Amino acid sequence: EPEVTQTPSHQVTQMGQEVILRCVPISNHLYFYWYRQILGQKVEFLVSFYNNEISEKSEIFDDQFSVERPDGSNFTLKIRSTKLEDSAMYFCASSSPLAGGPNEQFFGPGTRLTVL
Amino acid sequence: QKEVEQNSGPLSVPEGAIASLNCTYSDRVSQSFFWYRQYSGKSPELIMSIYSNGDKEDGRFTAQLNKASQYVSLLIRDSQPSDSATYLCAVSGDSWGKLQFGAGTQVVVTP
Repeated sequence: EPEVTQTPSHQVTQMGQEVILRCVPISNHLYFYWYRQILGQKVEFLVSFYNNEISEKSEIFDDQFSVERPDGSNFTLKIRSTKLEDSAMYFCASSSPLAGGPNEQFFGPGTRLTVL
Repeated sequence: QKEVEQNSGPLSVPEGAIASLNCTYSDRVSQSFFWYRQYSGKSPELIMSIYSNGDKEDGRFTAQLNKASQYVSLLIRDSQPSDSATYLCAVSGDSWGKLQFGAGTQVVVTP
């Protein structure tokens, strides 16, 4: 069964450093998303991406964040200058208009980001 | 502020019994409703989606939606220890947009 994959599974970085989190969405999906979940808290929407541009972003997704689809398979989230409060699990998700109904989003296993 | 509310639990359910989970949402224009299961340290796994009022059944799971009351629920029949997880209610206001999640209800199925 097709699935969303994410690398790395765990990333440790120093405050102020740049990180790139990588995702490979399900192959025929057209809509891509990033969410994050701080330990013990809700899953929070960061950004949605369709047709090579951002469709919607949350107030969390400030100028330190960017997304890119550099090729036909990868979808990346870059954090330019990490802060301690960026420590969280980051989930990539994808969805497809060919699925059973609108907006059934399938999540990857996540990248745990630890900022020291 | 648009909210999705769930009882945090834990909801303790004897093995073989029915677990009943509730979710309310504040945004009246919400169109799509989802239940995800999240095991500790893992990612959300989609188990049910519902878009119109009424019941939708899939195996041991039944989702119920009442848009007038802004209420969506999930029933898990014949609960198994493997159903022990946190169940997340998620709501979307448009076809391809963001999901807004509740905080989740922890379910513990006891043998």
